[in-house]
Amino acid sequence: GIQVEQSPPDLILQEGANSTLRCNFSDSVNNLQWFHQNPWGQLINLFYIPSGTKQNGRLSATTVATERYSLLYISSSQTTDSGVYFCAVMGGTSYGKLTFGQGTILTVHP
Amino acid sequence: EPEVTQTPSHQVTQMGQEVILRCVPISNHLYFYWYRQILGQKVEFLVSFYNNEISEKSEIFDDQFSVERPDGSNFTLKIRSTKLEDSAMYFCATTGLAVGDTQYFGPGTRLTVL
Repeated sequence: GIQVEQSPPDLILQEGANSTLRCNFSDSVNNLQWFHQNPWGQLINLFYIPSGTKQNGRLSATTVATERYSLLYISSSQTTDSGVYFCAVMGGTSYGKLTFGQGTILTVHP
Repeated sequence: EPEVTQTPSHQVTQMGQEVILRCVPISNHLYFYWYRQILGQKVEFLVSFYNNEISEKSEIFDDQFSVERPDGSNFTLKIRSTKLEDSAMYFCATTGLAVGDTQYFGPGTRLTVL
């Protein structure tokens, strides 16, 4: 099946700093989503981005499908950005299955 | 904005007991999924369901698991005889008209098997 690798596994920032999270995947995809898992365990949908670039406030994402990677940018980070960020992809032969990466644990200090 | 809802939020059960986890999908969504996340690990796919049939399932989804839409609105996951290793957060997700569209996740049910 499709493989998903996220980097870095852990990231520690000071409030106000910028960061880039990366997601590499091993095959063509029909769906790519970025999630933020908050301290209560809820998966918050950040972006649906199988290709192209999107922005939402301080967050933006870019997926280069031909090179099989996606990037999540967080600018001017805040303590509330802390949590785990997951990338999840649906391979071209899948019928709905999202394969998740291991996640990036982000900690933002005041 | 429409949301996927799940009940209960937390369930504690004894090993060997049956549990049913419930999900109310977003209205008019056609594709339904269950995922689970063991504490500290990544989210894993269990099963996808469309047109009242399972369309894909993982190796985790063995004979102990079943899914159904008993009344056309709720979408349920049943675990027949729970094991300690079934302790996890279970997420329901739904998609609208096309299988490749955004999957919207519910808040999860935390299952604890003692």
